[in-house]
Amino acid sequence: QAVVTQEPSLTVSPGGTVTLTCGSSTGAVTSTHYPYWFQQKPGQAPRTLIYDTSNRHSWTPARFSGSLLGGKAALALSGAQPEDEAEYYCLLSYTGVGVFGGGTKLTVL
Amino acid sequence: EVQLVESGGGLVKPGGSLRLSCAASGFTFNDAWMKWVRQAPGKGLEWIGRIKSKANGGTTDHAAPVQGRFTISRDDSKNTLFLQMNSLKVEDTAVYYCAYYRDSSAYHVDHWGQGTLVTVSS
Repeated sequence: QAVVTQEPSLTVSPGGTVTLTCGSSTGAVTSTHYPYWFQQKPGQAPRTLIYDTSNRHSWTPARFSGSLLGGKAALALSGAQPEDEAEYYCLLSYTGVGVFGGGTKLTVL
Repeated sequence: EVQLVESGGGLVKPGGSLRLSCAASGFTFNDAWMKWVRQAPGKGLEWIGRIKSKANGGTTDHAAPVQGRFTISRDDSKNTLFLQMNSLKVEDTAVYYCAYYRDSSAYHVDHWGQGTLVTVSS
């Protein structure tokens, strides 16, 4: 099974910008991996922020954006808010089989 | 209102079996693509598998660590998703979530159950 890698932890200042990345052990991440990004806060179920690389759900704040960057999937957060402190997971699809990354703990400090 | 309610979790010995159910309401279940995701205590998310709507073939995909031991199925007449888990291992201990994430027209949604805890221990 492929291994999906994320930064274990990142810190961003309130109002600042940060980019989380998602890499694949099989090579470059492309749109055919249909990258998803999830946010999870303690004690809660995950919530999807981004699907199919760059599509936001209606509830996804505009400050979050998804893209492909340097052979990885990327989640950019511009104008971080205290409520954005959470664990973020990416999910890649390998011909229908999903694999989550290990998650990035984002601290807003 | 969309609701997903998991049940069937509990304590089971290694090598045992459990069947989880996910009762769905508030949407057209037979049109839904559904998935199971689990989370071991204090750990990250793990994708277990998914099942497409029958309109899209009703096929399933399972993750490598559970392939051959876990089986996802659905009963559209009862609006229920299942996860049959056999040959359980200690490392299968986790909260198991069902989720509705898209429909047969590729319209994406995001609804999750509250999770059910499975503990595998002797």
